[in-house]
Amino acid sequence: QSALTQPASLSGSPGQSITISCTGTSSDIGGYNYVSWYQQYPGKAPKLIIYDVSNRPSSIYNRFSGSKSDNTASLTISGLQAEDEADYYCSSYTDSSIWVFGGGTKLTVL
Amino acid sequence: QVHLVESGGGVVQPGRSLRLSCAASGFIFSYYGFHWVRQAPGKGLEWVADLSFDGSDKFYADSLRGRFTISRDDSKNTVYLQLNSLRGEDTAVYYCARGSMGTRTTNNYDYYMDVWGKGTTVTVSS
Repeated sequence: QSALTQPASLSGSPGQSITISCTGTSSDIGGYNYVSWYQQYPGKAPKLIIYDVSNRPSSIYNRFSGSKSDNTASLTISGLQAEDEADYYCSSYTDSSIWVFGGGTKLTVL
Repeated sequence: QVHLVESGGGVVQPGRSLRLSCAASGFIFSYYGFHWVRQAPGKGLEWVADLSFDGSDKFYADSLRGRFTISRDDSKNTVYLQLNSLRGEDTAVYYCARGSMGTRTTNNYDYYMDVWGKGTTVTVSS
């Protein structure tokens, strides 16, 4: 099972909106509405921010939103803030009954 | 407060074995399945394995099947990952994460990892 494809890095200015893409296949993202996104600060554990494509845990700000079209999922962060600077990983359930992660995107807030 | 605490990591020679532990607290352990996810230095997350709330279902990443074994002891609220025939490429931080109640055939199964531990570091080196 190959890793999902994410841009290695993205940047944005405070207040802007950015979108991180996550591309898979019909065997993972395209076949299931089970895409999740995780935020990870350097040296820290990942944190769930989006599940089932577009749902947010109650503790997550509504500036974070998710969507999916065909084999590509997206994470949008609106009103970018300095604290959003982190690594972001997408994940999907697959036809093989296992999970696969994306390679991660390093978000820089300028 | 929901907590997962991993332990058991360390420096080990190639070919040797190691058992990682993940101690859970703050919720009813026996209701939930668990995952192990690893992260090599400077690299991304890699899903390793999961097992169901009752231990009946266990799944592994294709590349690791046969060397790693996931298990649980509900009397100790602990999940384990047995690592055998270790290689240099197994060097990573190993995270334990809470999965879902039920099994993949159950309605309302959760296909995500909602609580993570801080990880334990495994270094395979001679």
